[in-house]
Amino acid sequence: EPEVTQTPSHQVTQMGQEVILRCVPISNHLYFYWYRQILGQKVEFLVSFYNNEISEKSEIFDDQFSVERPDGSNFTLKIRSTKLEDSAMYFCASSRGLLAGLTDTQYFGPGTRLTVL
Amino acid sequence: DQQVKQNSPSLSVQEGRISILNCDYTNSMFDYFLWYKKYPAEGPTFLISISSIKDKNEDGRFTVFLNKSAKHLSLHIVPSQPGDSAVYFCAANLKTSYDKVIFGPGTSLSVIP
Repeated sequence: EPEVTQTPSHQVTQMGQEVILRCVPISNHLYFYWYRQILGQKVEFLVSFYNNEISEKSEIFDDQFSVERPDGSNFTLKIRSTKLEDSAMYFCASSRGLLAGLTDTQYFGPGTRLTVL
Repeated sequence: DQQVKQNSPSLSVQEGRISILNCDYTNSMFDYFLWYKKYPAEGPTFLISISSIKDKNEDGRFTVFLNKSAKHLSLHIVPSQPGDSAVYFCAANLKTSYDKVIFGPGTSLSVIP
């Protein structure tokens, strides 16, 4: 069964450094997402991406964050200058994209644990 | 922001019995409700959903009930199996924003053999 993959599984970085989290969505999916879960808290939506542009973003997704689909298979989340509070599990998800006005099942990857020291 | 609430952080059930996981919401603009299951070191896995125009949806051992007037939904698992032990997230979509899944805090279910 196709699945979303994410690399690395665990990333440790120093505060102020840039990190890039990578995701390979399911191959025939058209919508891509990033979520995060700070330890002990809820899974929170960060951003959605469709047709090579951001379709929606949350208030968490500030100028420090960016997303890109650099080729036909990868979807990346970049944090420009990491802060201690960026430490979290970051989940990538993808969905097929249905007709407008209908919800669409999002399939999640296993996550990348980001630790900022 | 507590739009989706799961007031029970944990639940223990005997194998073979029914597990009932509850969820309350505050936003009347939610259009779809979803349940996700999460094992440790894995991402959330979609289980079942229900449209706001329905009051019940069933898929095998899993049934979701929606009570719109009470802004309450529940997930029933019957019979419960040890492999069902996981964290269950109630989640919702707004009609104006199907991209964004709004998650509850989760309920950790333990099914005891």
